[in-house]
Amino acid sequence: AQSVSQHNHHVILSEAASLELGCNYSYGGTVNLFWYVQYPGQHLQLLLKYFSGDPLVKGIKGFEAEFIKSKFSFNLRKPSVQWSDTAEYFCAVNGGNNDMRFGAGTRLTVKP
Amino acid sequence: EAGVAQSPRYKIIEKRQSVAFWCNPISGHATLYWYQQILGQGPKLLIQFQNNGVVDDSQLPKDRFSAERLKGVDSTLKIQPAKLEDSAVYLCASSHLGLAGGRRETQYFGPGTRLLVL
Repeated sequence: AQSVSQHNHHVILSEAASLELGCNYSYGGTVNLFWYVQYPGQHLQLLLKYFSGDPLVKGIKGFEAEFIKSKFSFNLRKPSVQWSDTAEYFCAVNGGNNDMRFGAGTRLTVKP
Repeated sequence: EAGVAQSPRYKIIEKRQSVAFWCNPISGHATLYWYQQILGQGPKLLIQFQNNGVVDDSQLPKDRFSAERLKGVDSTLKIQPAKLEDSAVYLCASSHLGLAGGRRETQYFGPGTRLLVL
């Protein structure tokens, strides 16, 4: 079965700093990769996803992620964070029988 | 378009009691998922329905958890009897096609039910 590791539990940045959140997965077959975000008091929502083609995927609110197959990674990036990006970010992989596996999440705090 | 609805939003019970959660997916979505999210962890899939049939319940503790989606629309998840370690947020999600759409589909999540077992 697939699994997902998110390396950072809590990241604190100042506004305008660059962001990179790590995500590694273990699965031998074809995978579909997702980043979900949960803003304070809101439900999980999709940020971006990758299933084929260009390994650099652009999502909402200026986020992007790069799929590196050789490293089993799907890191999330944003060049300049805003206070409104404060949220919890979850990486997920769907590689089996539509069995979505989530990482433990990374809490991002952006200081104004 | 209305989102995934869940109720109740919060529930506090004592151990060994029973509890039920309700979910109404986005209209027309064939696949419905129940997840358990324990504090500090990511969501863990408990059960997946395709219309009114169970696709995957391999991670559902069947000695105490049960779920149904009788008419292929809304669903209930029940815990009987509850244990302290069942304290978690229970998330419901839906997707349009599920297996028929492959594994690329976006899952749309509801607000969750926060359960505290004392």
